[in-house]
Amino acid sequence: DAKTTQPNSMESNEEEPVHLPCNHSTISGTDYIHWYRQLPSQGPEYVIHGLTSNVNNRMASLAIAEDRKSSTLILHRATLRDAAVYYCILRGGGTSYGKLTFGQGTILTVHP
Amino acid sequence: NAGVTQTPKFRVLKTGQSMTLLCAQDMNHEYMYWYRQDPGMGLRLIHYSVGEGTTAKGEVPDGYNVSRLKKQNFLLGLESAAPSQTSVYFCASSYTDRGGYTFGSGTRLTVV
Repeated sequence: DAKTTQPNSMESNEEEPVHLPCNHSTISGTDYIHWYRQLPSQGPEYVIHGLTSNVNNRMASLAIAEDRKSSTLILHRATLRDAAVYYCILRGGGTSYGKLTFGQGTILTVHP
Repeated sequence: NAGVTQTPKFRVLKTGQSMTLLCAQDMNHEYMYWYRQDPGMGLRLIHYSVGEGTTAKGEVPDGYNVSRLKKQNFLLGLESAAPSQTSVYFCASSYTDRGGYTFGSGTRLTVV
């Protein structure tokens, strides 16, 4: 199964940009790259997803390497509410339908 | 919008007891999923449904059954609970098979 690798933790100051990296060197051609975040005792919250091209939404941007072996979640201006565990996930397609392969997650700390 | 609602939020069962976890979504999503989250193992797919009246097995289906009689509801049943089923259970839904998932807030189940 394709795995993802993320740094255990990162820190940022409020209102500064944050770049969260993820390596997925064994990604398959049908895997979508999803990012979710999770607060303690809550369900994961969808942030963004993409397949090959860079993606933007109101929450964040997703930059995908040309070879798709890595990606970066970009929070343009971190707020205290962005402090959470961020998971880079490969969403399986084909026979791996619905399967979410989790990385260990990055604990993001945002300082006031 | 309520999004995805899971009931109950907490439950303690004795070994051998049965119970049903209810997941309800009000977003008219076709796809629904049941996951369990255990420390160090991320989310593992138990069962999923691609539409009303359909169900399919995920990665760890043994000991669980599901039903999707109505589009908005996805039920997860444990016929004879075992301590190995102690976990946090998350329901999720998506509009398409490629889009982001909306998760519920989870059910914390302890089997003693």
